[in-house]
Amino acid sequence: DTGVSQDPRHKITKRGQNVTFRCDPISEHNRLYWYRQTLGQGPEFLTYFQNEAQLEKSRLLSDRFSAERPKGSFSTLEIQRTEQGDSAMYLCASGDNSGGDTQYFGPGTRLTVL
Amino acid sequence: SQKIEQNSEALNIQEGKTATLTCNYTNYSPAYLQWYRQDPGRGPVFLLLIRENEKEKRKERLKVTFDTTLKQSLFHITASQPADSATYLCALEGGTGGFKTIFGAGTRLFVKA
Repeated sequence: DTGVSQDPRHKITKRGQNVTFRCDPISEHNRLYWYRQTLGQGPEFLTYFQNEAQLEKSRLLSDRFSAERPKGSFSTLEIQRTEQGDSAMYLCASGDNSGGDTQYFGPGTRLTVL
Repeated sequence: SQKIEQNSEALNIQEGKTATLTCNYTNYSPAYLQWYRQDPGRGPVFLLLIRENEKEKRKERLKVTFDTTLKQSLFHITASQPADSATYLCALEGGTGGFKTIFGAGTRLFVKA
């Protein structure tokens, strides 16, 4: 257990529904990342926050995906109008600058879109 | 576009031998290169980080080399054990990639007793 928690651990939804995932990073970690991972692939970068500022995001977050970190602590990732291709493991990671750029990953939220 | 390549085929070795995994990248000048371990159904776990101005780093049975001219990193596990069986991911961060972290697809390692 790295200390990063994610909720829910599993989510099954029907196509077209909206889903929201939550990530609680290690306390006082100022860096927070979201990734998506499918079977046989490495994590795919979605977005990066430094405190409450979203400093980097992939093209995926320009449409149905959005992420927030309102107070620089927990973060949420929302997927609107889900599609079957969104089925994946969604991973959150946090880090602080004192550890270099080490990232501590949570257990992930597995999303299944029917 | 930025790309990372890791051995796509699984690596099978005998207990006690040294496992060597390769990570090659293109169109990228990272500030850091990291190696992570991932077990099925779990998030990746950080193992080692090496910076662009470092050639080699060691931690217990692990050794990482980083050649920015060849754009390659080698990851070694000495005296391998069955418990080392997992997927090992290479990741690049910083430098020309900004704040993004780019992961390879990973190499599956099986250590036989």
